[in-house]
Amino acid sequence: SQTIHQWPATLVQPVGSPLSLECTVEGTSNPNLYWYRQAAGRGLQLLFYSVGIGQISSEVPQNLSASRPQDRQFILSSKKLLLSDSGFYLCAWSPQQDQPLHFGNGTRLTVT
Amino acid sequence: DQQVKQNSPSLSVQEGRISILNCDYTNSMFDYFLWYKKYPAEGPTFLISISSIKDKNEDGRFTVFLNKSAKHLSLHIVPSQPGDSAVYFCAASLRWGKLIFGQGTTLQVKP
Repeated sequence: SQTIHQWPATLVQPVGSPLSLECTVEGTSNPNLYWYRQAAGRGLQLLFYSVGIGQISSEVPQNLSASRPQDRQFILSSKKLLLSDSGFYLCAWSPQQDQPLHFGNGTRLTVT
Repeated sequence: DQQVKQNSPSLSVQEGRISILNCDYTNSMFDYFLWYKKYPAEGPTFLISISSIKDKNEDGRFTVFLNKSAKHLSLHIVPSQPGDSAVYFCAASLRWGKLIFGQGTTLQVKP
């Protein structure tokens, strides 16, 4: 069966520090991969999605970037965190475009 | 511009009764709608979906209704159980994968 791993579960970082969140999917190949963010009191916002290695689409301009160095690995990064980057970050995958998304357990990021 | 809206941030119902969660959308081009359930500190889990060519889909205690003319989606849970207490997100898609989520509704089912 397919599983998705996302880490760390919680992270506290100072303003201006770098960020790297990692997500991996097991049990499938060539998945579509996504990064979402849930800010306090708001819905889930799509940040990035990828349909293949090295292919990244950005949905909103922001202080973050994403990379997909391997088929089942998706990384969310920032060179310098802002206070507004605080939130709950969720990685998700789907086997193909006509299947629902499956989410990881998320990373709670607090920028201080 | 909030294309998918859940106007009720919270809902409280008694165990055994019906829970009705509502969702409105603005884009008539959405072709697929989904409901996700989320517990604290966990990722959302897929609950039920409906294609825009249907007006109802049922799965056990969960039924989703779609009213395209009103651009309205609802989730019915019957009977409600305490374990159903969670945040429920509706989502819409122009094509699979790029889901647009509502703000969520926190459901509390009281024993």
